[in-house]
Amino acid sequence: EPEVTQTPSHQVTQMGQEVILRCVPISNHLYFYWYRQILGQKVEFLVSFYNNEISEKSEIFDDQFSVERPDGSNFTLKIRSTKLEDSAMYFCASRIGLSNQPQHFGDGTRLSIL
Amino acid sequence: DAKTTQPPSMDCAEGRAANLPCNHSTISGNEYVYWYRQIHSQGPQYIIHGLKNNETNEMASLIITEDRKSSTLILPHATLRDTAVYYCIVRLDSGNTPLVFGKGTRLSVIA
Repeated sequence: EPEVTQTPSHQVTQMGQEVILRCVPISNHLYFYWYRQILGQKVEFLVSFYNNEISEKSEIFDDQFSVERPDGSNFTLKIRSTKLEDSAMYFCASRIGLSNQPQHFGDGTRLSIL
Repeated sequence: DAKTTQPPSMDCAEGRAANLPCNHSTISGNEYVYWYRQIHSQGPQYIIHGLKNNETNEMASLIITEDRKSSTLILPHATLRDTAVYYCIVRLDSGNTPLVFGKGTRLSVIA
Protein backbone atom coordinates (compact mmCIF):
# COMPACT_ATOMS: atom_id res chain seq x y z
CA GLU A 1 0.00 0.00 0.00
CA PRO A 2 1.47 3.41 -0.94
CA GLU A 3 2.54 5.58 1.96
CA VAL A 4 3.90 8.99 2.83
CA THR A 5 7.60 8.84 3.67
CA GLN A 6 9.52 11.38 5.71
CA THR A 7 13.22 11.91 6.19
CA PRO A 8 15.12 12.10 8.41
CA SER A 9 13.35 10.29 11.22
CA HIS A 10 15.29 12.35 13.77
CA GLN A 11 17.06 15.67 13.25
CA VAL A 12 19.17 17.37 15.87
CA THR A 13 20.06 21.00 15.19
CA GLN A 14 21.64 23.89 17.03
CA MET A 15 19.38 26.84 17.82
CA GLY A 16 19.54 29.47 15.10
CA GLN A 17 20.40 27.00 12.36
CA GLU A 18 18.27 26.32 9.31
CA VAL A 19 16.63 22.93 8.95
CA ILE A 20 14.84 21.26 6.05
CA LEU A 21 12.41 18.43 6.64
CA ARG A 22 11.59 16.25 3.67
CA CYS A 23 8.49 14.37 2.65
CA VAL A 24 7.56 12.21 -0.32
CA PRO A 25 3.75 12.25 -0.56
CA ILE A 26 1.75 9.43 -2.14
CA SER A 27 2.36 9.69 -5.87
CA ASN A 28 -1.10 10.57 -7.22
CA HIS A 29 -2.03 12.90 -4.38
CA LEU A 30 -2.56 16.58 -5.05
CA TYR A 31 -2.90 18.18 -1.60
CA PHE A 32 -0.09 18.37 0.89
CA TYR A 33 0.09 19.34 4.54
CA TRP A 34 2.45 19.85 7.42
CA TYR A 35 1.43 19.37 11.04
CA ARG A 36 3.46 19.36 14.20
CA GLN A 37 3.09 17.84 17.65
CA ILE A 38 5.01 19.16 20.61
CA LEU A 39 5.70 16.40 23.12
CA GLY A 40 2.57 15.62 25.14
CA GLN A 41 0.41 18.08 23.22
CA LYS A 42 -2.14 17.96 20.40
CA VAL A 43 -1.36 17.60 16.72
CA GLU A 44 -1.44 21.13 15.25
CA PHE A 45 -1.93 22.20 11.65
CA LEU A 46 0.83 24.30 10.10
CA VAL A 47 0.18 24.67 6.37
CA SER A 48 -1.59 23.21 3.36
CA PHE A 49 -0.32 23.31 -0.21
CA TYR A 50 -2.03 22.79 -3.53
CA ASN A 51 -1.16 23.59 -7.12
CA ASN A 52 2.26 24.89 -6.11
CA GLU A 53 1.04 27.42 -3.62
CA ILE A 54 0.01 27.68 0.00
CA SER A 55 -3.74 27.23 0.47
CA GLU A 56 -4.00 27.84 4.19
CA LYS A 57 -1.64 28.42 7.06
CA SER A 58 -2.00 28.65 10.80
CA GLU A 59 -0.68 31.32 13.15
CA ILE A 60 2.24 29.03 13.94
CA PHE A 61 3.44 29.20 10.33
CA ASP A 62 5.21 32.54 10.53
CA ASP A 63 7.97 34.04 8.38
CA GLN A 64 10.49 31.55 9.73
CA PHE A 65 8.69 28.73 7.94
CA SER A 66 8.46 27.99 4.24
CA VAL A 67 7.33 25.09 2.10
CA GLU A 68 8.30 23.99 -1.34
CA ARG A 69 7.62 21.25 -3.84
CA PRO A 70 10.92 21.45 -5.70
CA ASP A 71 10.69 18.55 -8.12
CA GLY A 72 7.18 17.13 -8.38
CA SER A 73 7.78 14.37 -5.86
CA ASN A 74 9.28 15.93 -2.74
CA PHE A 75 7.54 18.34 -0.38
CA THR A 76 9.76 20.19 2.05
CA LEU A 77 9.34 22.28 5.18
CA LYS A 78 12.13 24.74 5.95
CA ILE A 79 12.64 26.50 9.24
CA ARG A 80 15.03 29.38 8.69
CA SER A 81 16.36 30.07 12.16
CA THR A 82 15.30 27.42 14.62
CA LYS A 83 14.22 28.17 18.17
CA LEU A 84 14.07 25.87 21.17
CA GLU A 85 10.27 25.88 20.94
CA ASP A 86 10.42 24.41 17.43
CA SER A 87 11.34 21.08 18.99
CA ALA A 88 8.50 18.75 18.04
CA MET A 89 7.41 15.90 15.80
CA TYR A 90 6.64 17.18 12.33
CA PHE A 91 4.17 15.21 10.25
CA CYS A 92 3.62 15.46 6.53
CA ALA A 93 0.28 14.39 5.06
CA SER A 94 -1.17 14.12 1.58
CA ARG A 95 -4.61 13.70 0.08
CA ILE A 96 -5.95 12.73 -3.31
CA GLY A 97 -8.12 15.24 -5.16
CA LEU A 98 -11.65 14.71 -3.87
CA SER A 99 -12.24 16.98 -0.88
CA ASN A 100 -13.87 14.42 1.40
CA GLN A 101 -11.10 11.88 0.99
CA PRO A 102 -8.82 11.38 3.99
CA GLN A 103 -5.37 12.75 4.56
CA HIS A 104 -2.65 10.12 4.94
CA PHE A 105 0.22 10.85 7.28
CA GLY A 106 3.86 9.93 7.35
CA ASP A 107 5.57 8.72 10.51
CA GLY A 108 7.12 12.08 11.16
CA THR A 109 10.47 13.70 11.80
CA ARG A 110 11.47 14.29 15.38
CA LEU A 111 13.18 17.70 15.47
CA SER A 112 15.33 18.43 18.51
CA ILE A 113 16.73 21.93 18.90
CA LEU A 114 19.71 22.28 21.24
CA ASP B 1 -10.59 24.36 18.57
CA ALA B 2 -11.83 20.84 17.99
CA LYS B 3 -15.60 20.56 17.52
CA THR B 4 -15.75 17.12 19.13
CA THR B 5 -15.85 15.78 22.67
CA GLN B 6 -14.38 12.39 23.56
CA PRO B 7 -13.72 10.63 26.86
CA PRO B 8 -10.05 10.97 27.79
CA SER B 9 -9.50 7.25 28.29
CA MET B 10 -11.09 3.83 27.98
CA ASP B 11 -10.10 0.24 28.63
CA CYS B 12 -11.11 -2.79 26.61
CA ALA B 13 -10.41 -6.48 27.09
CA GLU B 14 -8.50 -8.16 24.29
CA GLY B 15 -10.84 -9.91 21.86
CA ARG B 16 -13.85 -7.81 22.86
CA ALA B 17 -15.40 -5.01 20.85
CA ALA B 18 -14.13 -1.54 21.61
CA ASN B 19 -16.80 1.15 21.30
CA LEU B 20 -15.41 4.66 21.26
CA PRO B 21 -17.96 7.47 21.51
CA CYS B 22 -17.73 10.98 20.12
CA ASN B 23 -20.03 13.97 20.50
CA HIS B 24 -20.21 16.56 17.74
CA SER B 25 -23.43 18.37 18.52
CA THR B 26 -22.60 21.45 16.42
CA ILE B 27 -21.81 19.51 13.25
CA SER B 28 -23.12 21.11 10.07
CA GLY B 29 -24.64 19.41 7.05
CA ASN B 30 -21.50 19.32 4.92
CA GLU B 31 -19.08 18.24 7.62
CA TYR B 32 -17.73 14.71 7.64
CA VAL B 33 -16.72 12.69 10.69
CA TYR B 34 -13.20 11.26 10.47
CA TRP B 35 -11.48 8.86 12.82
CA TYR B 36 -7.72 8.59 13.16
CA ARG B 37 -5.50 6.89 15.68
CA GLN B 38 -1.97 7.50 16.85
CA ILE B 39 0.19 4.73 18.24
CA HIS B 40 3.00 6.06 20.46
CA SER B 41 4.38 9.04 18.56
CA GLN B 42 3.84 7.62 15.10
CA GLY B 43 1.92 9.58 12.50
CA PRO B 44 -1.86 9.64 12.77
CA GLN B 45 -3.34 6.65 10.97
CA TYR B 46 -6.60 7.05 9.07
CA ILE B 47 -9.29 4.61 10.15
CA ILE B 48 -12.64 5.54 8.62
CA HIS B 49 -14.91 8.46 7.78
CA GLY B 50 -18.56 9.12 7.03
CA LEU B 51 -21.16 11.77 6.43
CA LYS B 52 -24.47 10.33 7.64
CA ASN B 53 -24.61 6.66 6.74
CA ASN B 54 -22.93 3.99 8.80
CA GLU B 55 -19.65 2.85 7.32
CA THR B 56 -17.55 -0.29 7.63
CA ASN B 57 -14.11 -1.19 6.37
CA GLU B 58 -11.48 -3.79 7.24
CA MET B 59 -10.42 -1.89 10.34
CA ALA B 60 -13.61 -0.66 11.96
CA SER B 61 -17.24 0.38 11.77
CA LEU B 62 -18.56 3.89 12.16
CA ILE B 63 -22.07 4.41 13.51
CA ILE B 64 -23.47 7.93 13.13
CA THR B 65 -26.71 8.83 14.88
CA GLU B 66 -29.62 9.97 12.76
CA ASP B 67 -29.32 13.57 13.99
CA ARG B 68 -25.53 13.37 13.33
CA LYS B 69 -24.75 14.84 16.73
CA SER B 70 -22.73 11.86 17.86
CA SER B 71 -20.95 8.82 16.50
CA THR B 72 -19.30 5.63 17.70
CA LEU B 73 -16.22 3.93 16.34
CA ILE B 74 -16.33 0.18 16.77
CA LEU B 75 -13.27 -2.04 16.68
CA PRO B 76 -14.95 -5.45 16.53
CA HIS B 77 -12.21 -7.59 18.09
CA ALA B 78 -9.66 -5.42 19.84
CA THR B 79 -6.07 -6.61 20.01
CA LEU B 80 -3.12 -5.31 22.03
CA ARG B 81 -1.91 -3.55 18.88
CA ASP B 82 -5.07 -1.41 18.92
CA THR B 83 -3.81 0.38 22.03
CA ALA B 84 -3.55 4.00 20.84
CA VAL B 85 -5.03 7.48 21.07
CA TYR B 86 -8.15 7.69 18.91
CA TYR B 87 -9.21 11.01 17.43
CA CYS B 88 -12.69 11.89 16.22
CA ILE B 89 -12.51 14.89 13.89
CA VAL B 90 -15.21 16.86 12.13
CA ARG B 91 -14.08 18.40 8.88
CA LEU B 92 -15.80 20.55 6.31
CA ASP B 93 -16.06 19.00 2.86
CA SER B 94 -14.58 22.02 1.15
CA GLY B 95 -11.25 22.74 -0.46
CA ASN B 96 -8.18 22.25 1.60
CA THR B 97 -9.65 22.49 5.08
CA PRO B 98 -7.16 21.06 7.58
CA LEU B 99 -7.86 18.51 10.27
CA VAL B 100 -8.29 19.95 13.76
CA PHE B 101 -7.15 17.43 16.35
CA GLY B 102 -8.42 17.37 19.90
CA LYS B 103 -6.96 15.33 22.75
CA GLY B 104 -8.69 12.12 21.67
CA THR B 105 -9.42 8.99 23.67
CA ARG B 106 -6.55 6.87 24.93
CA LEU B 107 -7.69 3.28 24.42
CA SER B 108 -5.87 0.63 26.42
CA VAL B 109 -6.48 -2.94 25.31
CA ILE B 110 -5.82 -5.29 28.20
CA ALA B 111 -4.84 -8.96 27.92
